[in-house]
Amino acid sequence: QKEVEQNSGPLSVPEGAIASLNCTYSDRGSQSFFWYRQYSGKSPELIMFIYSNGDKEDGRFTAQLNKASQYVSLLIRDSQPSDSATYLCAAPFGGGYNKLIFGAGTRLAVHP
Amino acid sequence: DGGITQSPKYLFRKEGQNVTLSCEQNLNHDAMYWYRQDPGQGLRLIYYSQIVNDFQKGDIAEGYSVSREKKESFPLTVTSAQKNPTAFYLCASRTTGGGYNEQFFGPGTRLTVL
Repeated sequence: QKEVEQNSGPLSVPEGAIASLNCTYSDRGSQSFFWYRQYSGKSPELIMFIYSNGDKEDGRFTAQLNKASQYVSLLIRDSQPSDSATYLCAAPFGGGYNKLIFGAGTRLAVHP
Repeated sequence: DGGITQSPKYLFRKEGQNVTLSCEQNLNHDAMYWYRQDPGQGLRLIYYSQIVNDFQKGDIAEGYSVSREKKESFPLTVTSAQKNPTAFYLCASRTTGGGYNEQFFGPGTRLTVL
């Protein structure tokens, strides 16, 4: 059974700090990952996609993939209260990108 | 505006009733998906369809049925066989072909069994 694991949180950080969200996965064959942000009561929206080892940066967001250790992380620099949401990690399975398996999500709370 | 619409936003069902959730997209996407989300949990795949008139079961298809008669539409029926249907239901779509082609989500339908 392929699994994607996340700490449910909540992860509480002060405004302006770096928030670090982690995700581990069981399938060594997983090659790429998606990070979605989901505000309470809303639908998920894609914020990052990463498919190679190392870091990928997009604005205040940095995704890090370590295939040897089977974890992927999302760093949010200069955290803002508007970043308060649940962050879902997802990995494709079954070949291609047609199907995704999602982690349970980590709830992030950024306090002023 | 291009996007995915789901209706209704809130739905209440009595035990023993079948209900149908609507999902329409005008993004010209080939693939469409239905997920279920329970409180504190991630999304679980119910059904997906890559082309018209074809669909496959996901991880939790029991008690659900779908149809894909048009490219734009992928309705989900929650049958009385689904014993615990109260959840947040999300429809998604994506284009297929080259690249990772992210899944875009509709606004969701919150189903409550009375």
